[in-house]
Amino acid sequence: AQKVTQAQTEISVVEKEDVTLDCVYETRDTTYYLFWYKQPPSGELVFLIRRNSFDEQNEISGRYSWNFQKSTSSFNFTITASQVVDSAVYFCALSEVRTDKLIFGTGTRLQVFP
Amino acid sequence: NAGVTQTPKFRVLKTGQSMTLLCAQDMNHEYMYWYRQDPGMGLRLIHYSVGEGTTAKGEVPDGYNVSRLKKQNFLLGLESAAPSQTSVYFCASSYRRTSGSVQETQYFGPGTRLLVL
Repeated sequence: AQKVTQAQTEISVVEKEDVTLDCVYETRDTTYYLFWYKQPPSGELVFLIRRNSFDEQNEISGRYSWNFQKSTSSFNFTITASQVVDSAVYFCALSEVRTDKLIFGTGTRLQVFP
Repeated sequence: NAGVTQTPKFRVLKTGQSMTLLCAQDMNHEYMYWYRQDPGMGLRLIHYSVGEGTTAKGEVPDGYNVSRLKKQNFLLGLESAAPSQTSVYFCASSYRRTSGSVQETQYFGPGTRLLVL
């Protein structure tokens, strides 16, 4: 069965600290996609990244970076030099090619204090 | 482009009342989805549609009905609201994935907060 686990319910950091949000997934398929979404206090869901199961290269976008490791079924998200505006709930999600459905983790609430 | 819009933003219902949530997208997406978000449970798929005139059940379909009469609209109906349906409802849409191509990204609306008393 497909499953996404975000074990960290809530993380609090002080501005400028680096923080890593963990995501572990389960799937029987060899082809699948992983996503991260951000949900700021305003409530909308903002797409951050999509990664397919054949591409294990790490990705960096500004202060954001993602570490995909198939060996450990993990797709972790790191924010470098965190800022107050990074405060949000972050969701990891899995999509299997054969279903086109997204399976979400329960989310990690990140609070960045000034 | 407005993207994905949802109407209304907030609604209070009494148990047993009915209502319809409207989702509209202007991106010409084939696929549309309805999710509900509850504390500590992430987002769960209620129903989805892979094209005009088609709908299918998701993970938690009971108590809801949907219709996709036009490509750009996806309606979610509650025939007899229950307190357990108090939640935040999100609509999403995406392009149809063609065989062998990448999984398309789902783009979300701003959400509808529903309170059932």
